[in-house]
Amino acid sequence: EPEVTQTPSHQVTQMGQEVILRCVPISNHLYFYWYRQILGQKVEFLVSFYNNEISEKSEIFDDQFSVERPDGSNFTLKIRSTKLEDSAMYFCASSWTANQPQHFGDGTRLSIL
Amino acid sequence: GQNIDQPTEMTATEGAIVQINCTYQTSGFNGLFWYQQHAGEAPTFLSYNVLDGLEEKGRFSSFLSRSKGYSYLLLKELQMKDSASYLCAVPLGSNYQLIWGAGTKLIIKP
Repeated sequence: EPEVTQTPSHQVTQMGQEVILRCVPISNHLYFYWYRQILGQKVEFLVSFYNNEISEKSEIFDDQFSVERPDGSNFTLKIRSTKLEDSAMYFCASSWTANQPQHFGDGTRLSIL
Repeated sequence: GQNIDQPTEMTATEGAIVQINCTYQTSGFNGLFWYQQHAGEAPTFLSYNVLDGLEEKGRFSSFLSRSKGYSYLLLKELQMKDSASYLCAVPLGSNYQLIWGAGTKLIIKP
């Protein structure tokens, strides 16, 4: 069964550094999402992406965040200058259409020191 | 704002039945999803209810009442592997981005 893959599984970075989290969505999916989950808290929506542009973003997704689909397969989340509070599990998800179930990758655990 | 409420934790016995409730107050409604999440892992899809009523899928069933803003997930014949968090989520916006409840941690005892 096709799956969403995320790399790296764990990223440790110094505060103020840039990080790029990578995702390969399921190949025929058209809608892409990033979510985050701070340890012990609920999953939070960050951004949705369709037709090569951001569709919607949450208040969390400020100017420090950006997303890109540099080629036909990868979908990346960049945090320009990380803060301690960015430490979380980041999940990428994709779906064929908007009203179909979203499939999640295994996540990247981001630890900011 | 959006509000999705679930009990924080529930305990049940192996072989028994458990019902996990979810109430929601959201600015729009496009159905309700249930996901399972084992500790440290990604959420995995369980069910999607758009219309009122009960949908059964093996040992798991999900119910929706739009007029009451209420859903539940029913798990039958509980197995130890069902120990996980169960998350309800409402899709909102043009891309149906998921707005999540805090999840219910289900503990199964032998």
